[in-house]
Amino acid sequence: SQQGEEDPQALSIQEGENATMNCSYKTSINNLQWYRQNSGRGLVHLILIRSNEREKHSGRLRVTLDTSKKSSSLLITASRAADTASYFCATATSGNTGKLIFGQGTTLQVKP
Amino acid sequence: DTGVSQDPRHKITKRGQNVTFRCDPISEHNRLYWYRQTLGQGPEFLTYFQNEAQLEKSRLLSDRFSAERPKGSFSTLEIQRTEQGDSAMYLCASSLVLGNNEQFFGPGTRLTVL
Repeated sequence: SQQGEEDPQALSIQEGENATMNCSYKTSINNLQWYRQNSGRGLVHLILIRSNEREKHSGRLRVTLDTSKKSSSLLITASRAADTASYFCATATSGNTGKLIFGQGTTLQVKP
Repeated sequence: DTGVSQDPRHKITKRGQNVTFRCDPISEHNRLYWYRQTLGQGPEFLTYFQNEAQLEKSRLLSDRFSAERPKGSFSTLEIQRTEQGDSAMYLCASSLVLGNNEQFFGPGTRLTVL
């Protein structure tokens, strides 16, 4: 079963706007990761935030983590048409078992 | 291209047939994972290896599924007596043991069971 839920399930914005996606999870985590998947393709790692971190930046990406609420958000600033994809959060649970537990994903469409 | 390759990219089979997929991870990565993804869903964990050892298997991995990583390099996932419900994208990923467990995914094998 999936670890958590993502919100919204689908998001459509204009190029240049910001996109925010949210992820909730259920159990204690070691870290939380965000991945992007273009249609019919494999997943690409975007950013990782550890459980003791609250915010992290990478280029146009900003991730926040609130372990008290068991939630995370991914902000993509100044979106581009090439950002059109599905975005998944994935949690690595405590104990370093290796596996990732993914949410259901947010499908982002950026209109040129 | 993440450096993880999977073969074949697409497989169409008839119900009841056996299929085998191959994954070649990044060469220095000692962990290898298999996930399954159905349309509109996130990937679901199936199993993972650390070197040759299969350390964890999901309850999703029924007796019809078997995975191997005989020399700690490439891995195979076999599905026996395929069912229509097995139709999905099968994703392989690899990572290092040390570090943050950032996983590098292959392009996937799309299985269609008729």
